[in-house]
Amino acid sequence: GAVVSQHPSWVICKSGTSVKIECRSLDFQATTMFWYRQFPKQSLMLMATSNEGSKATYEQGVEKDKFLINHASLTLSTLTVTSAHPEDSSFYICSAVRDRGPRGNQPQHFGDGTRLSIL
Amino acid sequence: QKEVEQNSGPLSVPEGAIASLNCTYSDRVSQSFFWYRQYSGKSPELIMSIYSNGDKEDGRFTAQLNKASQYVSLLIRDSQPSDSATYLCAVSRLGAQKLVFGQGTRLTINP
Repeated sequence: GAVVSQHPSWVICKSGTSVKIECRSLDFQATTMFWYRQFPKQSLMLMATSNEGSKATYEQGVEKDKFLINHASLTLSTLTVTSAHPEDSSFYICSAVRDRGPRGNQPQHFGDGTRLSIL
Repeated sequence: QKEVEQNSGPLSVPEGAIASLNCTYSDRVSQSFFWYRQYSGKSPELIMSIYSNGDKEDGRFTAQLNKASQYVSLLIRDSQPSDSATYLCAVSRLGAQKLVFGQGTRLTINP
């Protein structure tokens, strides 16, 4: 199967702390990964597209200096929330895509998510 | 008009019946279509993918795609209480791995 591991599952920390979240594709290589944020009772909001070996592409309204993305290998992308504040509290979810197959676009496979609470 | 539209529900279906979830999309160059299930507090889980017009069956799930009418649907046969979740429709263009999600339909299966 296509397994994506996300760590940590829960983070509770003080305002001003920087938090790093890891996303790993365990049994496939992923040139592209995505980072989403989800607030209660809302749908997924795409934050950025993470590309191995190049800069991430951020969605409109997402601060790239606040949400640092690094995709240094074909199996690992990290999201760092810098100087986190209570309004950054949310459910952060990553996804990974296997390289394009014969049918065209491959589905995104999601990690289990990270629940971030900033006090 | 939203790019991908779903009825937000809630949709209530008695146990054992067929649950029918619908999704329409606006971009005619959409190529790949996916259904994800999301339990409360959890991340989305892939249920079905469909790329060609017609039906695709996998166990109790059937995805239906009609590109001319720009809709995709998911049927769940013999609905179980464990099927109660939010179902997300997602669409992507050919060559673009970015997904556009609908707002999700909340499904409740009543025992």
